[in-house]
Amino acid sequence: GESVGLHLPTLSVQEGDNSIINCAYSNSASDYFIWYKQESGKGPQFIIDIRSNMDKRQGQRVTVLLNKTVKHLSLQIAATQPGDSAVYFCAERPFSGGYNKLIFGAGTRLAVHP
Amino acid sequence: EPEVTQTPSHQVTQMGQEVILRCVPISNHLYFYWYRQILGQKVEFLVSFYNNEISEKSEIFDDQFSVERPDGSNFTLKIRSTKLEDSAMYFCASTLQYTGELFFGEGSRLTVL
Repeated sequence: GESVGLHLPTLSVQEGDNSIINCAYSNSASDYFIWYKQESGKGPQFIIDIRSNMDKRQGQRVTVLLNKTVKHLSLQIAATQPGDSAVYFCAERPFSGGYNKLIFGAGTRLAVHP
Repeated sequence: EPEVTQTPSHQVTQMGQEVILRCVPISNHLYFYWYRQILGQKVEFLVSFYNNEISEKSEIFDDQFSVERPDGSNFTLKIRSTKLEDSAMYFCASTLQYTGELFFGEGSRLTVL
């Protein structure tokens, strides 16, 4: 969901559980979507991407689902580990945006408890 | 593994002063970007740069901002006269092709007093 200022939504999970992080994107003309992970004090790190002509893409322990009808993107992390603790951002690229003018979402903090 | 490096990691400056943030993109990359993130908020696009010119810029990137690739390896962001609201983490990014897999640096934190 969206957040204001410092109050990021937080998802707390137990180590080993599966995590699902959701994102609503804004532009129906966006043709490309990316999930980034940001650890404290670091830059965003690419996790997985998906193009608008797909509805699912799998990576190592991660799956991205795209529902263009409701402009919704989700990131599923299997067997969540303490190292997965971070803020996760979805980003979209509007078709007219060009040259990677990505629009980032507000972020969700994932807290993994042992 | 190649990475984007940024300097300084943290800069404190007085309002009205000029600041230059430096970045060394991944060596064979062709597209370069600056994004910024105000503390606790979204990452925001500032500018993209390709073939030695600005490709696109956001509303944030006004006349106080400029970018340069002076020597084929460094990519700099200059803020001519800093304002309090310029305080943020500034991220440089690069990519080889027209693709979303941006490689971000660790950021330069700018604090304007």
